[in-house]
Order: sequence, then C-alpha cells, then structure tokens
Amino acid sequence: NAGVTQTPKFQVLKTGQSMTLQCAQDMNHEYMSWYRQDPGMGLRLIHYSVGAGITDQGEVPNGYNVSRSTTEDFPLRLLSAAPSQTSVYFCASSYAPPDGYTFGSGTRLTVV
Amino acid sequence: AQSVAQPEDQVNVAEGNPLTVKCTYSVSGNPYLFWYVQYPNRGLQFLLKYITGDNLVKGSYGFEAEFNKSQTSFHLKKPSALVSDSALYFCAVRVGGSNDYKLSFGAGTTVTVRA
Repeated sequence: NAGVTQTPKFQVLKTGQSMTLQCAQDMNHEYMSWYRQDPGMGLRLIHYSVGAGITDQGEVPNGYNVSRSTTEDFPLRLLSAAPSQTSVYFCASSYAPPDGYTFGSGTRLTVV
Repeated sequence: AQSVAQPEDQVNVAEGNPLTVKCTYSVSGNPYLFWYVQYPNRGLQFLLKYITGDNLVKGSYGFEAEFNKSQTSFHLKKPSALVSDSALYFCAVRVGGSNDYKLSFGAGTTVTVRA
C-alpha cells in the first residue's frame, strides 16, 4: 500500500502564479483533508471532503480551491499564489470516524 | 475559539525519565481525541486515540494517554523516554457535526530527550 501520496515534495512559485498540489490515496478512504503547517500555529484545516463530489471549507480556505471527482484524488489548487501561502501542506485521509487520519509526507511550498 | 491547547511549546527530559506532554480540549459532547507525532521533514504519524471506555489508552512506541473529563485534558505520557522520542507532538480533537470528520490540532509541543 502506498498510503497517501503527495506531489510535488518541493515547489517554488512566483507571486501570482497558480498551481495544483496533488494528493492520492489507495486505501478507499472517504474522508480527505488538506492542512497547512506554519511554525507555532500547528496544522490549520484548509478544505475537506466527506466523499466523492462533496467538499467544504475549513478554517483557512481563502486563496485555495479543491475538487473531489474520485474517491482516490483530492487536489488542492492555488489560484494566485501569495507569499502568505508559503507553508508546508499536508493531505490526510481516513476511512471513517473514529479512525485516525493517515497523512502524506507533505509539500513544502515557497512563494517569492 | 481554540478547540485544543498545548500549553508547552517545548518539553525537555533526560533519557530514562518520564515524559508528559500536556493537552486540554474544548468541545461540546463526547470528544474524539488523538495524538500524532512528527519527525523532522516527515508527515504526521498516528500514536493513539480516545473515543470511549477506559480513560487510559495505550498506543504506539510505548506511549499512553489519560483522558480526564473533569479537567478536559488528554495528556500524553511515556514512563521512560528515549532519545529517539525527540520530535514534534500534536494533540487533536474532532470538531464539527455528525456528518463530517474534521480534526482541530494544537500548536504542537517539541520534545527533546537528552542522552
């Protein structure tokens, strides 16, 4: 089992550029989430999904879009990158509550 | 309002000594509580969870946690710390309604175990 796979691992963007962070899981998990990790702030929820075709906003959704066309994939789109979006991004998935979430290895994004 | 708090940014202990990482929560109803560990440049790894039942739960790598409803706490413990336990630890609680499954994380506690 590959678990949760995130690509790319590292990315540098210029302000105003757009990009998509990829997340795929092969565990048939219904629940998927995107978090960003910033020093001293823990993990903050960006968007989440409770199943294919269903997404909702988390704590810090501005500047990000998501879609969930399949159970396996949950891409995160940055519409117009800003320096404030410099962070480490984690995708996570879970089969159902109360199973713990399985996390990907993260994408380190720098916006210059 | 913050759902989970980790009052200590850092915890330093000597190898072989007991390790405690503190967590308090604030949610309505019965909480689902979790502990995760993050090693440098890695994703988070699940350690243990409390859903219901025995207040003392055991998890991976010799860690355990005690749920205390009256104090709304869920402290992580290890009787004898190892240098390899040095990492960033996160407490998390389920938030939201019954139709979703979101976790709210604390800010994290950096644990350093010295040889």
